[in-house]
Formats: sequence, C-alpha cells, structure tokens
Amino acid sequence: AQSVTQPDIHITVSEGASLELRCNYSYGATPYLFWYVQSPGQGLQLLLKYFSGDTLVQGIKGFEAEFKRSQSSFNLRKPSVHWSDAAEYFCAVGLPSASKIIFGSGTRLSIRP
Amino acid sequence: DVKVTQSSRYLVKRTGEKVFLECVQDMDHENMFWYRQDPGLGLRLIYFSYDVKMKEKGDIPEGYSVSREKKERFSLILESASTNQTSMYLCASSETSGSVFREYFGAGTRLSVL
Repeated sequence: AQSVTQPDIHITVSEGASLELRCNYSYGATPYLFWYVQSPGQGLQLLLKYFSGDTLVQGIKGFEAEFKRSQSSFNLRKPSVHWSDAAEYFCAVGLPSASKIIFGSGTRLSIRP
Repeated sequence: DVKVTQSSRYLVKRTGEKVFLECVQDMDHENMFWYRQDPGLGLRLIYFSYDVKMKEKGDIPEGYSVSREKKERFSLILESASTNQTSMYLCASSETSGSVFREYFGAGTRLSVL
C-alpha cells in the first residue's frame, strides 16, 4: 500500500541555522511529490513539487527538496531559517493512476530566537 | 487565481445533528476531495469524486457521506454528528493535465461537535 512517512513530529532549530525535514514514501512507481506548509490559522500552501526531470527542486521562500529514488526520499531543506518559517510542514505523494494525494502526518517546525 | 471556497470557517453543532459542509471551486476541475486534519495525524482522505455524481471512499469514510450534483460543488455530510468528528475539514480540487498535477485547497472549516 502507498504511504508517506515523516519521521520527525516536532523539530526546533535556531534562527539562521540550516534545516532538513525528512520524508520517505512507499509507492511502486515514481510518484509526484509535494511539500506543503501550513502556518497557524492558515490554509495549506504549496512550497514545491516534483514530477520528473531534475531531482533537485527549488520552491518558494528559499526552500528546496531533493528526490532520491534509491532511498525513496524527498527531503526538504533550507540553508538559513527565519522566524516566519515556524509552521507545520506536510510531505505528500500524488498517485497519478488514482488522481489523488496521500499526505504524511506532518512535522511541526519551531524556531528558537 | 484558482479558488476553492468552503462556506464556513467555523461551525459548532450538537451531537446527533445533521451537518453539511459545502465546497465550491471555480476552475472546472473534475476531481474534488474532502480531508480531515487532526494533530499528529496529518490529512486523511474521507471521500473524493472524479466527476458529477461519482464518489469514491477514501481512507476514513465511516460516518460521512458526500454529494456531487454539480461539477463545481462537493458537499460533505455528517448524517448524525458525533464528538469524535470534531476536526478541521479541508476541501480540495485538482487538475490533471499532461504533466500537471496539483491540488488546490480551501481555507478549511473547523467543526466542533458538542
């Protein structure tokens, strides 16, 4: 069965430090991959997506993610976080054959001043 | 801009009430979805629809039903609301066109069942 795993429930990093949020998926073929961010009281916003081609994907707000087929991973990175990055982050897998998306359980990011 | 509109941001209902959550999208998308979001569980798919009058069960359909009489509108129905259905409900629509595949989300409806 298809699944998405975000192993870290809550991460705290210092402002200005680098960030990596982990995401692993289980799917028989190469899926579509997404990262969404949800700020407190806000809806979901798409940060970036991978469909095919270059495995390093650039997104909004200075985020990037790298698709590693051998590890079934799509980790999200940012070289220097800002206090406004505090939010919940969701990794998601799109299943083209079924036209639906499966979400991970989310990682809450807190920023230490 | 694509717009997915959920009719209510906040709802408070009593146990046993019939509850309707409405969602409208303005981009002629064929696919529409209802999720619920709970802390530590992420988004879980309740029902989705590929076309008018079509519906498919998601991962947690129990206690819910849906209606898609028009392409732009997808309604989630709680036949008899229970306290364990207190949650944030998110509607989404999606396009699949060639290599494009993306979901657009509404702002959410926070439902409290007392």
